[in-house]
Amino acid sequence: TQLLEQSPQFLSIQEGENLTVYCNSSSVFSSLQWYRQEPGEGPVLLVTVVTGGEVKKLKRLTFQFGDARKDSSLHITAAQPGDTGLYLCAGWDTGRRALTFGSGTRLQVQP
Amino acid sequence: DVKVTQSSRYLVKRTGEKVFLECVQDMDHENMFWYRQDPGLGLRLIYFSYDVKMKEKGDIPEGYSVSREKKERFSLILESASTNQTSMYLCASSPGQGTADTQYFGPGTRLTVL
Repeated sequence: TQLLEQSPQFLSIQEGENLTVYCNSSSVFSSLQWYRQEPGEGPVLLVTVVTGGEVKKLKRLTFQFGDARKDSSLHITAAQPGDTGLYLCAGWDTGRRALTFGSGTRLQVQP
Repeated sequence: DVKVTQSSRYLVKRTGEKVFLECVQDMDHENMFWYRQDPGLGLRLIYFSYDVKMKEKGDIPEGYSVSREKKERFSLILESASTNQTSMYLCASSPGQGTADTQYFGPGTRLTVL
């Protein structure tokens, strides 16, 4: 099974700050997804990236897929309390036709 | 909107009991998945299914079984619950077998085994 490591595990910042979350693997993934999970709910898809070097923007969130398709990053500009949640990256494992999830980054944005 | 529902939000069972967790999706999705979520470990895949009556083992199938008699319903069974199966259980569905498929999750069942 391919492994995905996320860092940092926890992040507590003030409203208005910028932050970056990293998702790294030694394996190549054909696509990578980012999900956000709020307390009491299941994860919800934010974005899918499929091409090495691809950058996608979702309002204040910028997602990048590494050139070698082994890593990804999520950058949030001017974080807001509504960004609070658990952020999960997930890579498509072609061998077993299923997603492999990272361990998650818990973000707390203080007003 | 896709809706994935799980039979219970909270469940408390005793060691040795047989436990059924039910999941239903209403969008005619081909694929269904069961994960468990524990702090610091992310989501770990227990079992998944790409068709009715079909199942494949995920990363941690030991102590679990599944049933998919109808396309919309995927059940997770704990044959003899143990305390180390105390966890949050998440069900998900997705439309096809593409690499960029979105997985739609239910709200989860928090299971406590005493």
